[in-house]
Order: sequence, then C-alpha cells, then structure tokens
Amino acid sequence: AQRVTQPEKLLSVFKGAPVELKCNYSYSGSPELFWYVQYSRQRLQLLLRHISRESIKGFTADLNKGETSFHLKKPFAQEEDSAMYYCAPSGNFGNEKLTFGTGTRLTIIP
Amino acid sequence: EAGVAQSPRYKIIEKRQSVAFWCNPISGHATLYWYQQILGQGPKLLIQFQNNGVVDDSQLPKDRFSAERLKGVDSTLKIQPAKLEDSAVYLCASSSDRVEQYFGPGTRLTVT
Repeated sequence: AQRVTQPEKLLSVFKGAPVELKCNYSYSGSPELFWYVQYSRQRLQLLLRHISRESIKGFTADLNKGETSFHLKKPFAQEEDSAMYYCAPSGNFGNEKLTFGTGTRLTIIP
Repeated sequence: EAGVAQSPRYKIIEKRQSVAFWCNPISGHATLYWYQQILGQGPKLLIQFQNNGVVDDSQLPKDRFSAERLKGVDSTLKIQPAKLEDSAVYLCASSSDRVEQYFGPGTRLTVT
C-alpha cells in the first residue's frame, strides 16, 4: 500500500532562516512526486513536481530514492511562505492517483 | 482562465439526511476528481472521471456515496444517508493532462 509520511504537523521558522519540510514515502514502482501548497484563504495548488526539476518561489525538492524521501527546501524563508504544505506521490500514467500526506503547517516568524 | 467552481461552499445537515455537491471544472479539462479531506488529514481521492467515464472509484463508499458526470463536464457527488464521520471538506479538482490538478474552493460539510 502507498504511504506518505510528513513527520512535522507544525513547523515554525524565522524569516531569513533555511526551511526544510520532510516527506518520506512508501510506494510501489517509480512514483512521480509532487508538493502542493495551500495559502491562507486560497485553494490547494501545485507548488512543484520532481520531474520538472524547477525551483518555484525559491523552493526545491530532491528525490532520494535510497531513503525514499522528497524533502522540500528553501535557503531563506520569507513571510509569504507561511502555508500548509502537502507531499503527494502518484503512480505513472494510467495509475496517477495522488496520495496526500497529512501536511505540514509552516509558519514564518517575522 | 476561470477556476474550478463548487457549490455550495458550506452545508450543515443532520445524520441520515442526504446532500449533494456540484462541481464545474475548468473548461476543456477531461479529468475530474472528487476528494474528501477530513480535519487534520490530507485529501483522499474518492473518485476520478475521464470525460464521463469512471477511472477509479476504489475509495468511494458506494453504499452511501454516488457521483456522476453525465455530459463529461459538470459533476455531482451525493451522500445518502449521511453519517457523522462524513463531516469533511469535499474538494473537486480537474486536469487537462492528468498530471497537474487544479482544485476548487471546496464544500465544507458538517453532519450533526
């Protein structure tokens, strides 16, 4: 069975400090991996996917197949990064159901 | 482009009553998803449509939940009869490529 673990429900970081949101997964095959974000009073939206290898809003995520982890990182936190973050692996085309983690609420302290 | 629309935004019902939610996806998006998000948890997929056909409904409690997308555009999700544990936010999402999903604002259901 597919499982996603986000060990931190809450994470508080000072503005300008580095951020790391952890995600570990247990998934059969070679999943695609996504991070979704929900800012206050906004809709859930895609932040980034590992296959695109992009940096979005300063965030990057490295896939570590050995550790089955997909941690989200940003070197310098900004106040607008405060939000709920969900890690979500999915299967490949034809079985692309997303399995969301329980989420981490990130608060940036000014 | 206009986003995914959902209505109602909030609904309060008593247990054993029925309720229906409506979703209008982004124009041209063939894939439509319904998720249930219980407080403190991530969204859980209930059902996925490709046009008007069901792709995955393995996590839909079919004894009380039903969903349809008759013309391959709008969709409705129904619960009958509702239980206390159905209290949750029901999210609709759509996709054009079955990769990036665009979410609606959700319907918050409270069952008393």
